[in-house]
Amino acid sequence: KNEVEQSPQNLTAQEGEFITINCSYSVGISALHWLQQHPGGGIVSLFMLSSGKKKHGRLIATINIQEKHSSLHITASHPRDSAVYICAAPALLITQGGSEKLVFGKGTKLTVNP
Amino acid sequence: GAGVSQSPSNKVTEKGKDVELRCDPISGHTALYWYRQSLGQGLEFLIYFQGNSAPDKSGLPSDRFSAERTGGSVSTLTIQRTQQEDSAVYLCASSGRTSGSNYEQYFGPGTRLTVT
Repeated sequence: KNEVEQSPQNLTAQEGEFITINCSYSVGISALHWLQQHPGGGIVSLFMLSSGKKKHGRLIATINIQEKHSSLHITASHPRDSAVYICAAPALLITQGGSEKLVFGKGTKLTVNP
Repeated sequence: GAGVSQSPSNKVTEKGKDVELRCDPISGHTALYWYRQSLGQGLEFLIYFQGNSAPDKSGLPSDRFSAERTGGSVSTLTIQRTQQEDSAVYLCASSGRTSGSNYEQYFGPGTRLTVT
């Protein structure tokens, strides 16, 4: 069983729609990452959050540490938002230096049609 | 500033050959990670380096995989006697101190390895 679960696996939306992608995790104690991967492209880190909410442009990420649940929202979606969105949680907190290896969800493939 | 770079971007090799993949992390970042993304699969952790500490190799799938990090900077991931199941995109990420104990990871563009 993957320790990071995302839903839905696939999501198709019309331009302008409000998008929500969910992530639940059973590992990690400090922060959760949301990543974006475009087809054929590399991975970009969108958010790293440990509490509350973060906003960047049309993207909003929220997290509930007690419930071990996070959501990524996209407002006024656009075809250029089409990508795979991946959430990742730290599997191990290394006290020496503080870096953490990530456990990844399987990703949500978002397609926004014009 | 410069981000994480990886080379080559694409590598096609014959089964049984050895390959080396290179990662140049962001200057000053103490932590370096290797991940792998097989076709249709999610990302999986392979190995990580933190400063001068012994690397965490717990994610390496077999003893054909090894990695080095020279001088605390550039890292090389070596796969010996490649097999077709090694075909994947190999991603490198680095992180450094930001605030508290949470470290944002910056990903390179990846190396797409195809074993024929």
